[in-house]
Amino acid sequence: EAQVTQNPRYLITVTGKKLTVTCSQNMNHEYMSWYRQDPGLGLRQIYYSMNVEVTDKGDVPEGYKVSRKEKRNFPLILESPSPNQTSLYFCASSGLAGGPDTQYFGPGTRLTVL
Amino acid sequence: KQEVTQIPAALSVPEGENLVLNCSFTDSAIYNLQWFRQDPGKGLTSLLLIQSSQREQTSGRLNASLDKSSGRSTLYIAASQPGDSATYLCAGSGAAGNKLTFGGGTRVLVKP
Repeated sequence: EAQVTQNPRYLITVTGKKLTVTCSQNMNHEYMSWYRQDPGLGLRQIYYSMNVEVTDKGDVPEGYKVSRKEKRNFPLILESPSPNQTSLYFCASSGLAGGPDTQYFGPGTRLTVL
Repeated sequence: KQEVTQIPAALSVPEGENLVLNCSFTDSAIYNLQWFRQDPGKGLTSLLLIQSSQREQTSGRLNASLDKSSGRSTLYIAASQPGDSATYLCAGSGAAGNKLTFGGGTRVLVKP
């Protein structure tokens, strides 16, 4: 089954404790990205990757890091989480970098930073 | 910078009525436009994608149109059902890549 998976689905942590949210897709997609969703602000892109070893900032990259060492994986790293990073996070992927292709979203990771 | 707006933010209709959801965008150089459905606490499910060269796409009871000159897309859902209750999001992609700029969504309630 074609899918995007994220782990963990729920996470409660404390300020400053480094964490990683994993994202994996099994569709051999070149393009992957991370979004956060906040009430009243909608979905905003954090980082994206057009292919292996190619990443770039989205609209709200501050406080986040990503890496793309393999085509299927695109982890989101919070080196020193803060309460304003409490949010619902989505990973997405699509097949044609720059092309008109449907984006597939993961189920989301609900993060709470105390 | 692309901006995407969805009005109204919420909509309630009786079962059986046709739904019309609006999406407007500021940059006519949109590469494609995608409609998504989101159920509470869940991820996004892609409904329809309209490429910039197309004017509409259809899937079952769903039909989406794209008018680049006026900066508008419309999602029509025929003969609505209670199971159609969800938040519907539109998102535009720019030519620079697959980055999606999302509208704020329209929360739909279909009453039995």
